[in-house]
Amino acid sequence: ILNVEQSPQSLHVQEGDSTNFTCSFPSSNFYALHWYRWETAKSPKALFVMTLNGDEKKKGRISATLNTKEGYSYLYIKGSQPEDSATYLCAFSEGAQKLVFGQGTRLTINP
Amino acid sequence: GAVVSQHPSRVICKSGTSVKIECRSLDFQATTMFWYRQFPKQSLMLMATSNEGSKATYEQGVEKDKFLINHASLTLSTLTVTSAHPEDSSFYICSAEGQGARTDTQYFGPGTRLTVL
Repeated sequence: ILNVEQSPQSLHVQEGDSTNFTCSFPSSNFYALHWYRWETAKSPKALFVMTLNGDEKKKGRISATLNTKEGYSYLYIKGSQPEDSATYLCAFSEGAQKLVFGQGTRLTINP
Repeated sequence: GAVVSQHPSRVICKSGTSVKIECRSLDFQATTMFWYRQFPKQSLMLMATSNEGSKATYEQGVEKDKFLINHASLTLSTLTVTSAHPEDSSFYICSAEGQGARTDTQYFGPGTRLTVL
């Protein structure tokens, strides 16, 4: 059974502070690592798809890194804003389609 | 772009009844759709994968006769929970990928909360 772990499970951050959290995944048979952002009562939205070891992707204040050899990815948020409050999911895939999700990191930004 | 809708958002039903959940891709052709469920404090777990016009492929431990999946068109897949029981109460969410959207990304609906009394 593939195991994808995210830590921490929840996080409270003061507005303006930067934060980061981790996704750990199996280091064998790697195909891709996905990050999603899931706001309450909405659909999970894709943030990044990462495929190459050492990949670093950025979208505005959010960035992610990937280490496939040791099996982890970090998501960074710079200068947190209240609208960043959401659950951040990572998902590992061995092949083109099947995603194995972590439990998510629930981020709350305190104004 | 790449919007997926899901209906209903919430449903409460009596034990023994069947419930149908619809998943629609609104602005792209979903050649593949996925159904997941999430129990409290757990991760999204893939139940089945369906390709348009083909029978769904179910994950280990998911009963195909209980969770009927139909993917008859490129924009619609349905999940029917037959003879629902309280242990089927969960959050069900679909995703889709296909033509007119990024091929390496699944696009999710907002989910359906099923409560079986």
